[in-house]
Amino acid sequence: QSALTQPPSASGSPGQSVTISCTGTSSDVGAYDYVSWYQQHPGKAPKLMIYEVSKRPSGVPDRFSGSKSGNAASLTVSGLQAEDEADYYCSSYAGSNNLVFGGGTKLTVL
Amino acid sequence: QLQLQESGPGLVKPSETLSLTCTVSGDSISSSTYYWGWIRQPPGKGLEWIGSINYSGTTYYCPSLKSRVTVSVDTSKNQFSLKLSSVTAADTAVYYCARPMIRGIFARGGFNYWGQGILVTVSS
Repeated sequence: QSALTQPPSASGSPGQSVTISCTGTSSDVGAYDYVSWYQQHPGKAPKLMIYEVSKRPSGVPDRFSGSKSGNAASLTVSGLQAEDEADYYCSSYAGSNNLVFGGGTKLTVL
Repeated sequence: QLQLQESGPGLVKPSETLSLTCTVSGDSISSSTYYWGWIRQPPGKGLEWIGSINYSGTTYYCPSLKSRVTVSVDTSKNQFSLKLSSVTAADTAVYYCARPMIRGIFARGGFNYWGQGILVTVSS
């Protein structure tokens, strides 16, 4: 069982927006602004999409945005495109030099 | 261009020790203050952080694996390594090495450089 809870699946049509949630506790997501999001296509290594809750690394489209409220973080993908279909994982610093991941969400572009 | 490459046996017997090495090119482990990490992914499952190390050998480990994990660094070879003892079938996974986005502060910025991953199967 993963430390952070994500919905197993999410979907949306091209051009729409979809939001993926990542629920933790007051010891991890709620305590630190060190939430990251990764995109992973089949057979590939994960790619960092969001760090420190809402910052985008260079090269990541601004269609990807992150936020946090209380013990839950969210990743929103706007203007869905076919290439956004992938697995998405959140991670958070959990204190005591520990890092935890979510179980992952499979995003389907209909 | 930074590159990370995992290497090691693809098959390990139960109860033995899994040993992997990550070779870094395009950056110097000894001159940067990143916490280089190991992450694994069992087939069809999610990601799990295993442990991280910096150039001076400061290590942090996943609490559930801490008793079996050792991460070390060899700055002369620009490599860092993973050892996982007493393996079982549950340790079968793709193992990735990675470098974080932000230097100096553990787990702050996520991992933005990853190796291609190496599948390690635990089986007799």
